[in-house]
Amino acid sequence: QLQLQESGPGLVKPSETLSLTCTVSGGSISSSSYYWGWIRQPPGKGLEWIGSIYYSGSTYYNPSLKSRVTISVDTSKNQFSLKLSSVTAADTAVYYCASFENYYYYMDVWGKGTTVTVSS
Amino acid sequence: DIQMTQSPSSLSASVGDRVTITCRASQGISNYLAWYQQKPGKVPKLLIYAASTLQSGVPSRFSGSGSGTDFTLTISSLQPEDVATYYCQKYNSALWTFGQGTKVEIK
Repeated sequence: QLQLQESGPGLVKPSETLSLTCTVSGGSISSSSYYWGWIRQPPGKGLEWIGSIYYSGSTYYNPSLKSRVTISVDTSKNQFSLKLSSVTAADTAVYYCASFENYYYYMDVWGKGTTVTVSS
Repeated sequence: DIQMTQSPSSLSASVGDRVTITCRASQGISNYLAWYQQKPGKVPKLLIYAASTLQSGVPSRFSGSGSGTDFTLTISSLQPEDVATYYCQKYNSALWTFGQGTKVEIK
């Protein structure tokens, strides 16, 4: 059964780069059945798709974040990663990684989420 | 980009009531529409995908309908454990977008 787990610093300083990793277990990140991606949720607000990656390395980003986001995949470690540069307090959120089914494009398995606070 | 408008933003209903939440896309998205339930402090949970397919293990009181631009999530008989925020999510042209969410409470 597919499981995802986020990891990374819980506190990032303004203007620095937020870096998170999602470890996939119970399945291969090289599966053609999935995209892999990141979603965030600021405190008290709704869900926002950040971006997605296919095992081949093809990436897709939310246009509102595209200039600051990089998502990469490491098939040898069964992991994918998020980098968000030049963070501000507005980037404070719970960050989720998820598997995105590759036919109807829904998010079927989610990580537990990790809280990232941007503060000096 | 195609925008999603979800309504209402909140609702209050009695146990046993029929509850309907709608999502409207600014352009047609076929049936690339999913619904999620998020209880307070919890991870979002997939309820319905492909607009009307119930995810395994989800109670049958949940149903989805629609295609193109107009979609509906229906709870046929609201239960106390259904208190949550519900989100629609669309896919088109390698872009995923969530609706604004609907908070469902018990009257």
